[in-house]
Amino acid sequence: DVKVTQSSRYLVKRTGEKVFLECVQDMDHENMFWYRQDPGLGLRLIYFSYDVKMKEKGDIPEGYSVSREKKERFSLILESASTNQTSMYLCASSPLGQANYGYTFGSGTRLTVV
Amino acid sequence: AQTVTQSQPEMSVQEAETVTLSCTYDTSENNYYLFWYKQPPSRQMILVIRQEAYKQQNATENRFSVNFQKAAKSFSLKISDSQLGDTAMYFCAFMKPREYSGGGADGLTFGKGTHLIIQP
Repeated sequence: DVKVTQSSRYLVKRTGEKVFLECVQDMDHENMFWYRQDPGLGLRLIYFSYDVKMKEKGDIPEGYSVSREKKERFSLILESASTNQTSMYLCASSPLGQANYGYTFGSGTRLTVV
Repeated sequence: AQTVTQSQPEMSVQEAETVTLSCTYDTSENNYYLFWYKQPPSRQMILVIRQEAYKQQNATENRFSVNFQKAAKSFSLKISDSQLGDTAMYFCAFMKPREYSGGGADGLTFGKGTHLIIQP
């Protein structure tokens, strides 16, 4: 069964902390994505990557960075967590050049910043 | 930029009824893909159905079918014989394929979602 795994289901962090959200996929997909999901706002793209060490900004990259050192792993970094980054974070992956595939999603990490 | 609009924030129907969720989108592209995703309380986003814009025939997957109206830029989801397990958030999504190889990724643009509640 193909899988996208997010390391934490729930996370509570303090304001100002550096936070790492990890995502691993076992499908050898080239593309990986980080979204945040908020009620009434749907899913908004933070960053994506289509190759190792490649990254591109999505719609709301401010306050975030990413790292992709290996094909299977895509990390989202909150350099200095703030309360407005309290949200659900979803990781997804897809194969390059197969637009009809859509995405495979992880189960999400609910992050609370206090 | 593409936009996806789901005009129904929440819907509630009785079990076994048929329900239709609406979705409209705005694009100047001719070649694209449309998807419906389901997100149950477990939070796992699951692909329900996909439609390729160049195909006129509406996609169907068991109890799920779409009404794709390309000229009207409409992509509604019909759920027949609804079941309690259909209770979830449903997201409509649009994908424009990359224009060239070697750069970028095929990105999905999502609507804000419809919360569907199936009542026993």
